[in-house]
Amino acid sequence: KNEVEQSPQNLTAQEGEFITINCSYSVGISALHWLQQHPGGGIVSLFMLSSGKKKHGRLIATINIQEKHSSLHITASHPRDSAVYICAVYRGNEKLTFGTGTRLTIIP
Amino acid sequence: DAGITQSPRHKVTETGTPVTLRCHQTENHRYMYWYRQDPGHGLRLIHYSYGVKDTDKGEVSDGYSVSRSKTEDFLLTLESATSSQTSVYFCAIRGQNTGELFFGEGSRLTVL
Repeated sequence: KNEVEQSPQNLTAQEGEFITINCSYSVGISALHWLQQHPGGGIVSLFMLSSGKKKHGRLIATINIQEKHSSLHITASHPRDSAVYICAVYRGNEKLTFGTGTRLTIIP
Repeated sequence: DAGITQSPRHKVTETGTPVTLRCHQTENHRYMYWYRQDPGHGLRLIHYSYGVKDTDKGEVSDGYSVSRSKTEDFLLTLESATSSQTSVYFCAIRGQNTGELFFGEGSRLTVL
């Protein structure tokens, strides 16, 4: 079993829909990252969080340390949000463990 | 942008040849990482560095070596490339104060 599991693996939605991507992990962590990878490959950091909730524009990330679970929400989704979203957990030993990603497609 | 660049961006080589990928940063960050990304796998750590001449192995280090003679440059070397090393390689740096990650654009390596 992977230490970091993301769901769903693939998600297709209509423009304007509210999107939720989930990340569950099985190890103790000091921080969790959400990353975005667009077609063509570049990886961008969206959030780093260790507790609670963070918001940036239409993106919201939450984490529940007790339940070992994090969610990434996108409000008013847009085709430019189409990308692979990757969850990664940092265990404080320079070893980030990455999920395999959620491929999001937003249809106009 | 964090000022991190990789070179070359694309390379095709033959089995058994040596290959070196370069990661260059302009941020003076201490921590630098090399990952590989393959279908069906998350990003996997090859090697990382926590300072000049200070490096350590990641989970998939076999067949790879690294060097860091200057803060700004972290080199990944495949001494004798194999087809299993066909992959996309990403360099990353970690912000010392924030812990935020910054990634290079990736280097696509094909070993024939």
